[in-house]
Amino acid sequence: DAKTTQPTSMDCAEGRAANLPCNHSTISGNEYVYWYRQIHSQGPQYIIHGLKNNETNEMASLIITEDRKSSTLILPHATLRDTAVYYCIVKGSNYKLTFGKGTLLTVNP
Amino acid sequence: KAGVTQTPRYLIKTRGQQVTLSCSPISGHRSVSWYQQTPGQGLQFLFEYFSETQRNKGNFPGRFSGRQFSNSRSEMNVSTLELGDSALYLCASREEGAYEQYFGPGTRLTVT
Repeated sequence: DAKTTQPTSMDCAEGRAANLPCNHSTISGNEYVYWYRQIHSQGPQYIIHGLKNNETNEMASLIITEDRKSSTLILPHATLRDTAVYYCIVKGSNYKLTFGKGTLLTVNP
Repeated sequence: KAGVTQTPRYLIKTRGQQVTLSCSPISGHRSVSWYQQTPGQGLQFLFEYFSETQRNKGNFPGRFSGRQFSNSRSEMNVSTLELGDSALYLCASREEGAYEQYFGPGTRLTVT
């Protein structure tokens, strides 16, 4: 599975969009980009995943660059409950998730 | 549907003892994976079971083992506990053919 690089931490004001970047320059053609988040002391929560097209669901949007070397997770209207560690994971057909250190997003009132 | 459940939620054991943790996946999910989370190493994959067979295994010693039952419920066992086994143990289930995994709340194990 390709390695990912994320900022250690980010801040966002409540009600504003939170844009979380992820670099995955060694991604290969059959690898998907996944995003999970973990709120303190809880199990990780699946957010969204994509291959090359942009994706949107009720939680977030995922924007993947055309060369697929980076992506951005967008939470359109961040709330205090979105404060969590966000993990960007790139993986192929095996079902093992390899978590990095993620980005601690703090949503401030 | 009910989510992934794990029991017990908290556990305190002594070095040298063994422990068994339980996981009930989401109804209809046949794949169950186990992860260990520590402050130093983060989230690490232990193993995955599908239809009662271990399909993938992470880099953990043989003291860590698991099994899956015909109803897809899974147990994880750690023998000869060490202080370093203190961690949050997470279970995740997945529907056949799906890529997203759904995690339980975890079992917090403290080894003294």
